[in-house]
Amino acid sequence: EVQLVESGGGLVKPGGSLRLSCAASGFSFSNAWMSWVRQAPGRGLEWVGRIKSKTDGGTTDYAAPVKGRFTISRDDSKNTLYLQMNSLKTEDTAVYYCSWIEAADYHYYMDVWGKGTTVTVSS
Amino acid sequence: DIQMTQSPSSLSASVGDRVTITCRASQSISRYLNWYQQKPGKAPKLLIYAASSLQSGVPSRFSGSGSGTDFTLTISSLQPEDFATYYCQQSYSTPPSTFGQGTKLEIK
Repeated sequence: EVQLVESGGGLVKPGGSLRLSCAASGFSFSNAWMSWVRQAPGRGLEWVGRIKSKTDGGTTDYAAPVKGRFTISRDDSKNTLYLQMNSLKTEDTAVYYCSWIEAADYHYYMDVWGKGTTVTVSS
Repeated sequence: DIQMTQSPSSLSASVGDRVTITCRASQSISRYLNWYQQKPGKAPKLLIYAASSLQSGVPSRFSGSGSGTDFTLTISSLQPEDFATYYCQQSYSTPPSTFGQGTKLEIK
């Protein structure tokens, strides 16, 4: 069964740091492009960033609100995706989802999602 | 960045109704448009990719159309399990891969 399971969420003070993990199973993680998407309470979906597979360069891209503060990485030996979040702000409070980016004829879409992990930034 | 605007933001409809949700891009995105369904407390679910390709396992009452800047998601005959929030997402120009603000479909 294809599965993504996020962990690492919690309560953190403004300015603090947190690292989220996403454990993947049931598919070839090392060949997968992966992304993080977040959803603030009562709000819509917001793309956070993505990481390509190492065979495609392993490069990362980020949304403007998190660039320079968040870092996406991967450990293919552990089938795990990470999101290191530094200098957290109250507006980073959200449910964070990891997802597998799939492609068909250069059309990229997110078919498999985790259940999400909640990050609350508050003093 | 490409902006995605959905309309309406909310919609009330009855079981059996035909419903159409619109998504407009701020510039042409060809057919690089995906649709997702999200129920409260759950992760999004992919319905449609590449504007009109139905994801495996998604009921055929869901369909997508459009190209360029204007796209639609149509549900031909609403079922009770279809009441949810729907999002479009462009994958033409990334980063960032932007979502629409969502359309909440409620029971009338």
